[in-house]
Amino acid sequence: AQTVTQSQPEMSVQEAETVTLSCTYDTSESDYYLFWYKQPPSRQMILVIRQEAYKQQNATENRFSVNFQKAAKSFSLKISDSQLGDAAMYFCAYRSAMGKIIFGKGTRLHILP
Amino acid sequence: EPEVTQTPSHQVTQMGQEVILRCVPISNHLYFYWYRQILGQKVEFLVSFYNNEISEKSEIFDDQFSVERPDGSNFTLKIRSTKLEDSAMYFCASTVSRGRRLNTEAFFGQGTRLTVV
Repeated sequence: AQTVTQSQPEMSVQEAETVTLSCTYDTSESDYYLFWYKQPPSRQMILVIRQEAYKQQNATENRFSVNFQKAAKSFSLKISDSQLGDAAMYFCAYRSAMGKIIFGKGTRLHILP
Repeated sequence: EPEVTQTPSHQVTQMGQEVILRCVPISNHLYFYWYRQILGQKVEFLVSFYNNEISEKSEIFDDQFSVERPDGSNFTLKIRSTKLEDSAMYFCASTVSRGRRLNTEAFFGQGTRLTVV
């Protein structure tokens, strides 16, 4: 069975600084997708970024980028120029070939003004 | 932009009562999911639904739970006899495809907060 592990329950970063959230996963599949979702206090799940496992190039969305290491099964999220609005719970997620999404336990990110 | 909508946003129910949580997936999506998030915990998969039948379910999804697509637009989750531990945020999600055509992410609704008292 696939698992997703986020080893940092909470992190803090100074506004305008860069922060990296860690994620590792375990799978025997070769074809899958990885995601980072943001959950603000409203508790809505908002997609931040996605990565196709077959692509070697790391995905980037404005200030958000990932470091995808397929052999190491690692998928970290880097947030550059952190803003107060980035404060939220961040979930790393794996999407299996069957379509089910498996979430990590989340990392709560605090932005310090 | 198309979105998944869930109603109600918040439901309070007495223990032992039946509740139905409603979702309207994005219109051209084919696969539907329910997830649960107990406060402070991670998001857990409950069930996936395709072609009018359950395609996968978790161990959480016991006989107390059922899903249905009663018409062409709604996708419902029913809890027959609610327990205190069913209190959680319930998310509906939909996606166009699965398998080798994993070309889109799952789109989540805004969630229904269920409180069992």
